[in-house]
Parts: sequence; structure tokens; C-alpha cells
Amino acid sequence: DAGVTQSPTHLIKTRGQQVTLRCSPKSGHDTVSWYQQALGQGPQFIFQYYEEEERQRGNFPDRFSGHQFPNYSSELNVNALLLGDSALYLCASSRGSDRGYEQYFGPGTRLTVT
Amino acid sequence: LAKTTQPISMDSYEGQEVNITCSHNNIATNDYITWYQQFPSQGPRFIIQGYKTKVTNEVASLFIPADRKSSTLSLPRVSLSDTAVYYCLSRRAGNNRKLIWGLGTSLAVNP
Repeated sequence: DAGVTQSPTHLIKTRGQQVTLRCSPKSGHDTVSWYQQALGQGPQFIFQYYEEEERQRGNFPDRFSGHQFPNYSSELNVNALLLGDSALYLCASSRGSDRGYEQYFGPGTRLTVT
Repeated sequence: LAKTTQPISMDSYEGQEVNITCSHNNIATNDYITWYQQFPSQGPRFIIQGYKTKVTNEVASLFIPADRKSSTLSLPRVSLSDTAVYYCLSRRAGNNRKLIWGLGTSLAVNP
């Protein structure tokens, strides 16, 4: 049983460019959340997708957008990249019916903006 | 404004019991308190969650007082491999029930 997978592992982009990160949830999970984690900081919630819709959103600008597909996989898109967008981007999956927050995290995508 | 606070760092020795306390004011009344462990360059890993009183699993125990304004993660007999950052997570009360992550407690277990 594969856990949460993310691609790519590492990515280097230039300011102003756009990036797409991908996530496949753990088998049996229907909810995907995205987080941004700067070096030495805790994860910052970006948004969560359930049933192909954005269910909740953190304090991130509209440059951050996402999508969930019918097979529950998800994409995170970031437009007009800024240097400050350099971080580890984490995807977490869970079951939408769960009351708690037992999320399974992927290994993350390390994005560097130069 | 809802806030989650926990100690920045802690030191311990192999075989000791470690207790990490998180303060979380104004959390949602019906939601769980959850703890995660994170190693460098890896995603966080779920440890334990609870609603009130005490919860125990094969890895840790979680103590939550009746007022739910704090929670304590207890790691029995830590080993070197328990060196990691530990985060507590709760949900803000009210209409904007966003998940609130603590800043993390960096635990160093020494031989």
C-alpha cells in the first residue's frame, strides 16, 4: 500500500515563473491538504480539497491555487513566483469523514526560487 | 486570537520520560488535539490525538485536562531516534475554524 507520494522531489525556478506540484493520496483517502514549510518553521496551511472542491483555505494569496481530480490526486499551482515562496511544500491526505486530524504526509517537494 | 504555544526546545537523555506541553486557548469545543513528529527533510508523522482526559497508544500518551486549554504529550523511555521536532495541532473555535499548528518543540535526546 503506497503512502502519499509527491512529485517532483526538488525544483528550482526563477522569480516570476509558474510551478505545478503534484500529490497522490494514500489509498482510501479522499481529502488532500497542502502546506508550506519554510526552513525552521512549522507547516503553514495553504488549502484543503475534498470532493474536487476547495473546502478550506489558509492565509495565502490567490497566486496559490489548486485542483483535485476524480481519483483524489491533487495539484498545487503557484504563479508569479517570489523569492519568499522558496520552501518545502507538503501534501497530506486523510479521510474526510474523520473528526480528527490524522493526516498522512508525503515527503514534500523542495522548491527553490532564484 | 487563537494561539498555540509550546516550548521551542527540550533536552533529554536516553531512557527518560519526556513530557511536552502545548497551550491552546480558544480551541473548538468538538475537535481533537493532535500531535505530530517531524524529522529533518521529511513530512510530519502522526503520533497521537485525543479529545479529553488520557489517550495512550504504542508510541505515546496524551493528557488533556478538562478545560482543554492545554495538552501534554508524554514519550516514555525516549531513545536517540526520538530526536525530532514535535508539533501540536488544534482547530480554532468559531466560524473560521482553521487548523492551528504550534511552532514545534525541538527535542534532543542525548546518549
